[in-house]
Amino acid sequence: AQSVTQLDSQVPVFEEAPVELRCNYSSSVSVYLFWYVQYPNQGLQLLLKYLSGSTLVKGINGFEAEFNKSQTSFHLRKPSVHISDTAEYFCAVSKANFGNEKLTFGTGTRLTIIP
Amino acid sequence: GAGVSQTPSNKVTEKGKYVELRCDPISGHTALYWYRQSLGQGPEFLIYFQGTGAADDSGLPNDRFFAVRPEGSVSTLKIQRTERGDSAVYLCASSLRGAQGYTFGSGTRLTVV
Repeated sequence: AQSVTQLDSQVPVFEEAPVELRCNYSSSVSVYLFWYVQYPNQGLQLLLKYLSGSTLVKGINGFEAEFNKSQTSFHLRKPSVHISDTAEYFCAVSKANFGNEKLTFGTGTRLTIIP
Repeated sequence: GAGVSQTPSNKVTEKGKYVELRCDPISGHTALYWYRQSLGQGPEFLIYFQGTGAADDSGLPNDRFFAVRPEGSVSTLKIQRTERGDSAVYLCASSLRGAQGYTFGSGTRLTVV
């Protein structure tokens, strides 16, 4: 089975400062990795995903993440945050083969941007 | 439709009552998923449909929970004898390419009083 750990439940950051949201995973097989964002009273929106290839993945809204297999990490970064980035961010993992449909999510990190 | 539609958006019910939550996926998406998100937690998998059949229902917590997708499109999650612990946001997603391509709905917030 897969598991995901998001160590930081809340991260406050000043506007225009950089941010890193940490995600570590555990799996005995190859995985796909995802970051989702959830704005208040809305569903989950995909920010970016790692399936294979380049370990640096770029997503929407200026976010990027780096897959590090040796450290089993997939940290999310943004060089300069905006007020509109205030949201809950979820890291998720699935088995990396067709037919495995389930996503396993972390508990989320609440990003608060301070003006 | 353009997105995944879930109705109702909010549901308040009394303990012991029966509830149905509806999910209308993106047209043409063969895969449909239900997740439950409790307060302060990430979404947890409940059940996955490929077409009309439940391909994986390993996440359903007990036999009070049941889901159907009779025509391979709209799905209904049914909860019998609701308990206060069932209070959560129930999320539906659909996909053409498995875990790689989920589109989530906005969820149904269920409150059992």
